[in-house]
Amino acid sequence: NAGVTQTPKFQVLKTGQSMTLQCAQDMNHEYMSWYRQDPGMGLRLIHYSVGAGITDQGEVPNGYNVSRSTTEDFPLRLLSAAPSQTSVYFCASSYSTGQGVTGNEKLFFGSGTQLSVL
Amino acid sequence: AQSVAQPEDQVNVAEGNPLTVKCTYSVSGNPYLFWYVQYPNRGLQFLLKYITGDNLVKGSYGFEAEFNKSQTSFHLKKPSALVSDSALYFCAVRGLGQGGKLIFGQGTELSVKP
Repeated sequence: NAGVTQTPKFQVLKTGQSMTLQCAQDMNHEYMSWYRQDPGMGLRLIHYSVGAGITDQGEVPNGYNVSRSTTEDFPLRLLSAAPSQTSVYFCASSYSTGQGVTGNEKLFFGSGTQLSVL
Repeated sequence: AQSVAQPEDQVNVAEGNPLTVKCTYSVSGNPYLFWYVQYPNRGLQFLLKYITGDNLVKGSYGFEAEFNKSQTSFHLKKPSALVSDSALYFCAVRGLGQGGKLIFGQGTELSVKP
């Protein structure tokens, strides 16, 4: 009954370092996405994927890369960390690919990664 | 562009009293609206959604939301608040394109006191 699993839960980086946030889901969801949560700003979409081999940018993609080689995994890479990337990061998945309305737009969220960039 | 607004950063309610968390929306076309809840140190959890049909939508944990097209609102309600309802609540609308992404409001912190 794992759902969406994110690792690590906490991470501290120095400016310029790179790292990968891991996300895995065991629900065979086609749609996966990464959001960042900042105080007073809600959640903002970084990147998303509607299936293996397909990724696209959200509203705040700069400084981040993603790949989707399998249905289960959707890692988020920080190429050169900056203090502005200090945030809480959430991975989310759903059945729906977003192509039309299926009624399955419910997102399942991981428990988050708290990232600090010094 | 699709957007939602949550006009209150914080709502304080006494246990047993009714609660309302407000949300207004701006969309092109038919709105697909959602409420999510976030408990401390946890990811967001789905509460309910409005796609079409009845304007009163019932969801998890005794919550409901009323869709009002003329006022472009989708307020979250509960008849009798519990201390355990204290959490951060997010309204969201389905975006256009971009894989049908969800666009979230800034969140409203609900505090229920005994």
